[in-house]
Amino acid sequence: QSALTQPPSASGSPGQSVTISCTGTSSDVGGYNYVSWYQQHPGKAPKLMIYEVSKRPSGVPDRFSGSKSGNTASLTVSGLQAEDEADYYCSSYAGSNNFYVFGTGTKVTVL
Amino acid sequence: EVQLVESGGGLVQPGRSLRLSCTASGFTFGDYAMSWFRQAPGKGLEWVGFIRSKAYGGTTEYAASVKGRFTISRDDSKSIAYLQMNSLKTEDTAVYYCTREVCSTSCSPHYWGQGTLVTVSS
Repeated sequence: QSALTQPPSASGSPGQSVTISCTGTSSDVGGYNYVSWYQQHPGKAPKLMIYEVSKRPSGVPDRFSGSKSGNTASLTVSGLQAEDEADYYCSSYAGSNNFYVFGTGTKVTVL
Repeated sequence: EVQLVESGGGLVQPGRSLRLSCTASGFTFGDYAMSWFRQAPGKGLEWVGFIRSKAYGGTTEYAASVKGRFTISRDDSKSIAYLQMNSLKTEDTAVYYCTREVCSTSCSPHYWGQGTLVTVSS
């Protein structure tokens, strides 16, 4: 099972928006509405930011939003803040033989 | 407050075994599915496997990379999930995280432990 494709990096100034893409296939991203996004600060455990394409767990600011079109999912961070600087990973359900496949990760820099 | 604490990591030789534990608190452990993920040094995340709650049969699923070598189990009386790792390979070197799933139409790992490092090396 191939990893989902994410851009290696993205950046924006405080207050701006940044959007990260996550491209898969019809066997994963395109086939199910089960895309999640994780934020990971250096040396820390990942944190779930979005699940089932666009749902936010309790406690996650509404500056974080998710969407999907075809085989590509997207995470948008609006109103960038310094603490948003982190690595972001997408994942998708990929069927009963390989439940979760992850993206390659995107480093978000707040300029 | 949901807390997950992994333990049991360390240095192990290739071909040997290791068992990780995930001790949970702050919720009724037996009601939830639990997962294990891992992250090799400087690399991305990888799903290892998960175990359903007893209400859903307590069955397990595994990633192809560990199937047949790793076994996930649970002791609901102790609120502990286990990851038994056999025939370890150098490529199993990673930080291992346990997670608590929240399931609706699908399951997602809403809560994560801090991780435990497993190093497989001779």
